[in-house]
Amino acid sequence: GAGVSQTPSNKVTEKGKYVELRCDPISGHTALYWYRQSLGQGPEFLIYFQGTGAADDSGLPNDRFFAVRPEGSVSTLKIQRTERGDSAVYLCASSPSATGGYEQYFGPGTRLTVT
Amino acid sequence: SQQGEEDPQALSIQEGENATMNCSYKTSINNLQWYRQNSGRGLVHLILIRSNEREKHSGRLRVTLDTSKKSSSLLITASRAADTASYFCASGGSNYKLTFGKGTLLTVNP
Repeated sequence: GAGVSQTPSNKVTEKGKYVELRCDPISGHTALYWYRQSLGQGPEFLIYFQGTGAADDSGLPNDRFFAVRPEGSVSTLKIQRTERGDSAVYLCASSPSATGGYEQYFGPGTRLTVT
Repeated sequence: SQQGEEDPQALSIQEGENATMNCSYKTSINNLQWYRQNSGRGLVHLILIRSNEREKHSGRLRVTLDTSKKSSSLLITASRAADTASYFCASGGSNYKLTFGKGTLLTVNP
């Protein structure tokens, strides 16, 4: 079956603009995660959904970042008033469940560049 | 913040040699996972070892876990040029979060 997909693969935006990044998880996976990876670093957790609700958004850096998953499948990460420091690869992952230590299946990521 | 640290940061070997990467973490875990990443994009899950396991094998991969030392190692035997990638360990607690290290960049020269 299809893996996790993310669109767009690349996004270049000007400082101060609003962007939306989309994640389409593996069908049937109830848990969905967003991570951010800066150059030379490992992924850092942003937010986790179990079903439609954001169970933990403690990794979001500030209130410019927001994510939704209205129907428990596709998720959108929204960044307002983008800053150059937001430039990174944004990774989405899904797993069958959040409990029990399941492996996470990652999408190819969206490379965001804020100029 | 990142919890784990991989060692070494970079490793260059010849095809056919074995590659060993180490990982340390700071808090108690439920499981530890290793991922591979090519060209800075999506991560591919390699292996998961639970806190009550000490060693696990998958093909040419061997992972060990020492919870008393809060460390893990990944051994890739008979390396191939296609193994060239960044390798990350990720610690999983009793919750759902994965905390990644900074990774080891492995280069396998043909």
